[in-house]
Amino acid sequence: TAGITQAPTSQILAAGRSMTLRCTQDMRHNAMYWYRQDLGLGLRLIHYSNTAGTTGKGEVPDGYSVSRANTDDFPLTLASAVPSQTSVYFCASSDSPSNEQFFGPGTRLTVL
Amino acid sequence: GQNIDQPTEMTATEGAIVQINCTYQTSGFNGLFWYQQHAGEAPTFLSYNVLDGLEEKGRFSSFLSRSKGYSYLLLKELQMKDSASYLCAVTDSNYQLIWGAGTKLIIKP
Repeated sequence: TAGITQAPTSQILAAGRSMTLRCTQDMRHNAMYWYRQDLGLGLRLIHYSNTAGTTGKGEVPDGYSVSRANTDDFPLTLASAVPSQTSVYFCASSDSPSNEQFFGPGTRLTVL
Repeated sequence: GQNIDQPTEMTATEGAIVQINCTYQTSGFNGLFWYQQHAGEAPTFLSYNVLDGLEEKGRFSSFLSRSKGYSYLLLKELQMKDSASYLCAVTDSNYQLIWGAGTKLIIKP
């Protein structure tokens, strides 16, 4: 069982370029999440989706957008990357918002 | 504002016991999670507390006091593989997880 996968594993991106981070889960979980993790700051929620067709803003949504066209996929798009978006990005899913979250392996993004 | 506090770093000896504390101030409370995260890897679930008291799972135990806004994770019989960061997270009234910055645990032989 794959669980939850992310692509790419890592990426170097020029400032101003756009990029989509991919996330797919095969657990049929209703809820999915995007976090960024920076040293000393812990995990910060960017966007979330409690069910297919709905999305919501987290703590740090600016500069990011998401869509949830189906249960399995939850892509995160950076429309015009800036160096402050350099971070490790984790996608997670859970059966419901009150249950434990399962994390993907992460995408390490560097914006130059 | 919402806040979760845990020590930045702790050191312990292989075979010993260590307690990692977490205090929280959140808008509502719907449960507290502990996750383990090895360097360069994703967080993995360790424990969940929603009622006061102690939850034991093998070498790991987690305690919750809702009235004090306090939890701890107790690790017994420490092994070198327990070297990792331990993340405390609280589900608030909107069922969103609020994360602490994590405690880096260093195990020495």
